[in-house]
Amino acid sequence: AQSVTQLDSQVPVFEEAPVELRCNYSSSVSVYLFWYVQYPNQGLQLLLKYLSGSTLVKGINGFEAEFNKSQTSFHLRKPSVHISDTAEYFCAVSARGRDDKIIFGKGTRLHILP
Amino acid sequence: GAVVSQHPSWVICKSGTSVKIECRSLDFQATTMFWYRQFPKQSLMLMATSNEGSKATYEQGVEKDKFLINHASLTLSTLTVTSAHPEDSSFYICSAREDRVRSPLHFGNGTRLTVT
Repeated sequence: AQSVTQLDSQVPVFEEAPVELRCNYSSSVSVYLFWYVQYPNQGLQLLLKYLSGSTLVKGINGFEAEFNKSQTSFHLRKPSVHISDTAEYFCAVSARGRDDKIIFGKGTRLHILP
Repeated sequence: GAVVSQHPSWVICKSGTSVKIECRSLDFQATTMFWYRQFPKQSLMLMATSNEGSKATYEQGVEKDKFLINHASLTLSTLTVTSAHPEDSSFYICSAREDRVRSPLHFGNGTRLTVT
């Protein structure tokens, strides 16, 4: 079975500052990794995903994440945040080849301070 | 891009009544859809996998008779919360994937259910 730990429930950051949202996973098999964003009262939107290949993955809205197998991490980064990035961010994992059954972390709320 | 439409976006019902939530894939066919439940400030918990033309597969701890799922066509899955109680109040989200290899999941905008 897979599990995901998002270490920070909330992250405040000033506008135009860089941000990193942390994610660690646990799995006995190879995995796919995902980051989703959820705006208030809306569903989830895929930011980026790691399936294979390059460990640095670039997504939408200027976000990127790096897969680190030795540290079992998949941290999300953005060099300069905007007010519009205020949202809940979910890291997720699935067993390789089973990207239908996705396990979500508890989420990190990103607060952008003016 | 692929769109999943969920209806209604919010609903208030009285305790003991049933509520039906629809999940539609608007511009693609989806043999498989998924239903999640999200409590305030918490993550999504997979409730069940909805399969077109066959019975849904429920996750451990989810009551089949409480949460009825019907996937009658390749573009529509419904979740019916039967005999709703206040503890069923939650945010319900569906997702669907296109019927092709490595298709991503597309999520609906969710339904906020409040049972009074």
